Amino acid sequence: AAGVIQSPRHLIKEKRETATLKCYPIPRHDTVYWYQQGPGQDPQFLISFYEKMQSDKGSIPDRFSAQQFSDYHSELNMSSLELGDSALYFCASSRRALYGYTFGSGTRLTVV
Amino acid sequence: QKEVEQDPGPLSVPEGAIVSLNCTYSNSAFQYFMWYRQYSRKGPELLMYTYSSGNKEDGRFTAQVDKSSKYISLFIRDSQPSDSATYLCAMMVEGGADGLTFGKGTHLIIQP
Repeated sequence: AAGVIQSPRHLIKEKRETATLKCYPIPRHDTVYWYQQGPGQDPQFLISFYEKMQSDKGSIPDRFSAQQFSDYHSELNMSSLELGDSALYFCASSRRALYGYTFGSGTRLTVV
Repeated sequence: QKEVEQDPGPLSVPEGAIVSLNCTYSNSAFQYFMWYRQYSRKGPELLMYTYSSGNKEDGRFTAQVDKSSKYISLFIRDSQPSDSATYLCAMMVEGGADGLTFGKGTHLIIQP
C-alpha cells in the first residue's frame, strides 16, 4: 500500500540558509500535518492542511511557512535556519481528522 | 505540567513477558487515543486507535482507555525482540484541532 512519502530523507544546511521539505500524502487522504521531533523529544505539531487550506497551527515559528498544492502534496519552507531547527520533520496524512494519522519516514535536518 | 505524561523508561523485559505501557492526561477534552510505535530514526507507526472507554484488542496488542481516570494503557502479550522500540501515546480533541498531543514516549527493550 502507498505510504506518506517525504523528501529529502536527509538535509544539511548552514545557519541562515533556507530549506524546503516536501510531503506526498497517501492518495485520497484529505488532511496533511507537519510535526517536528527534536532528539529524545516527542513530535510537536507545527501546522495542518485540510483540502489544501490551512486548518490548524501549532508551535510553528514565523520563519517557517507551509502550503498544500492542487495535487495535495505539501511543502514546509524554513528560512533563516538556526542550529535549534535541527530535528526530524515528519509529515502525516489522514482521511478526515478523526482517524489515526499515517506518518512518513521523516526528513532529518541538520543545521551547522 | 504537560498535558500528557508518559514514563520515558527504559523499560526492559524478557522475551515472552506481558508488557504494560501507560499514559495519563489532564485535558478532559481529549476524545481520541492512539498508540504509535517508533523505531530509531523512523516515523511513528500507528498501532492502535480508540475512541471510547474500554478495551480494544488487535493481535498481541490491547489498548485500554479509562476516561474517568484519564488513564490509557497498551498491553503487549508474548513480547518479541522486534517489539523493542519507543512507544508513544497520542491524543486528540474532537475535530482534531491542534493536531495530536503526544506523550514523551517509553523506550521498550525486549531481551532475547
